[in-house]
Amino acid sequence: DVKVTQSSRYLVKRTGEKVFLECVQDMDHENMFWYRQDPGLGLRLIYFSYDVKMKEKGDIPEGYSVSREKKERFSLILESASTNQTSMYLCASIGVLMTDLDGYTFGSGTRLTVV
Amino acid sequence: GDSVTQMEGPVTLSEEAFLTINCTYTATGYPSLFWYVQYPGEGLQLLLKATKADDKGSNKGFEATYRKETTSFHLEKGSVQVSDSAVYFCALQPGGGNKLVFGAGTILRVKS
Repeated sequence: DVKVTQSSRYLVKRTGEKVFLECVQDMDHENMFWYRQDPGLGLRLIYFSYDVKMKEKGDIPEGYSVSREKKERFSLILESASTNQTSMYLCASIGVLMTDLDGYTFGSGTRLTVV
Repeated sequence: GDSVTQMEGPVTLSEEAFLTINCTYTATGYPSLFWYVQYPGEGLQLLLKATKADDKGSNKGFEATYRKETTSFHLEKGSVQVSDSAVYFCALQPGGGNKLVFGAGTILRVKS
């Protein structure tokens, strides 16, 4: 089974801190995604990457950046954390094969609280 | 652009009741459709999928049929259990694309 591992389940950070959220997948997937999940808003795409060192903005990239130096690892960076970035963050991956019709594989999520 | 609309929750049912969670979509081309489930404190898990019109996805007693004529993919279960309490997300994957588009999610609460 594909595994997507997020390094932290819970994080508490202070306003203004630089925050790193790490995600690792073990199935050689090309595509990786970062979403945030908020009640009533569902999942909103922050950034995604379709290859090493490649990245594209999603729907809500402001205040975030990403890094993909290795195929298996996709990091989300909050440059200067703010309280409105308190949320659940979900990482996901998918391959590029046309037969890969199982949708995404998700990590367990990181619940970030910014105080 | 592509979008998914789900019925608002929370949906509260008694054990063994019949469940329907409505999902409609807007998309160009021929998307694949999915239902994901998120149990408390966990990430999303794929529940079922359908890749073309009239396909029926099924898993764990849940079913959904891809209806192109009504652009719908409603989730149903004949008899819910307390353990089905979770958040359910409908999603589409555009034809030829790798980005999923999610609905807002529907909270299901099942009482014993």
